[in-house]
Amino acid sequence: DVVMTQSPLSLPVTLGQPASISCRSGQSLVYSDGNTYLNWFQQRPGQSPRRLIYKVSNRDPGVPDRFSGSGSGTDFTLKISRVEAEDVGIYYCMQGTHWPPTFGPGTKVDF
Amino acid sequence: EVQLVESGGGLVKPGGSLRLSCAASGFSFSDAWMNWVRQAPGKGLEWVGRIKSKTDGGTTDYATPVKGRFTISREDSKNTLYLQMTSLKSDDTAMYYCSFRQAYWGQGTLVTVSS
Repeated sequence: DVVMTQSPLSLPVTLGQPASISCRSGQSLVYSDGNTYLNWFQQRPGQSPRRLIYKVSNRDPGVPDRFSGSGSGTDFTLKISRVEAEDVGIYYCMQGTHWPPTFGPGTKVDF
Repeated sequence: EVQLVESGGGLVKPGGSLRLSCAASGFSFSDAWMNWVRQAPGKGLEWVGRIKSKTDGGTTDYATPVKGRFTISREDSKNTLYLQMTSLKSDDTAMYYCSFRQAYWGQGTLVTVSS
C-alpha cells in the first residue's frame, strides 16, 4: 500500500493568519491517465469527513477560496490563506491513484 | 441533494457477524461506484472496500485487513449499499461510513466488537 505522511501532525494556528500542511506519498501519484488523484479532507469534531480538494488543486463546491491545494508527483500542500474559527479540525490527505486508497495520518489544526 | 444514511451498527461479540446498510438518495445509485471507509475511535481513516456499478461489472475490491471476512453488495432497486461483516475482531471496532465519489459521506454507524 502507498504510505502517506503528513507534517506537522499538530498545527497550532492563529485567527486570520495563514496555515500550511504538507503531504508526501511513498510513490508518484500520477495515474496512467495523466491525472494525479490526491484529495484533501477536513473532519470537524464529531462530524463526517468532508472533501475540500480533489485532484491536487480543485476545490469542491461550497469550499471557501481561502483553501488551496498544490503539488505534484509525491509532494503536496494544503494552504489556508487566513484561518477562521470554523477551520478547527483534522485534515487528511488521501491518494486514489493506487489501490487501495490510503490516507495520511491526519493533521490536527487548533488554536 | 445527495444523502447517504448508514444503519445497522451496534455491539457484537468477537467472532460474530453484522450487516450494515447505506440508504442512498439524490443521485443515480445504480450508476455509482460506492465505498465503505472506517475510522477507529480516535484514529484516522481507513478504506474498507468498494463496489462498482453493475454496468461496470459490479465487482468488489477490499482492503487487506478485511479481505475474506467482509462482503460489499448492492441492491439497486432499493438504492441501498451493504457491508456484511463476519469473523469480527476487536480491531474492527470503528465508525463505518459509506461514501460516493469520495465527495459525499454519510453520518456513519458505529460498530463495537467486544465481549
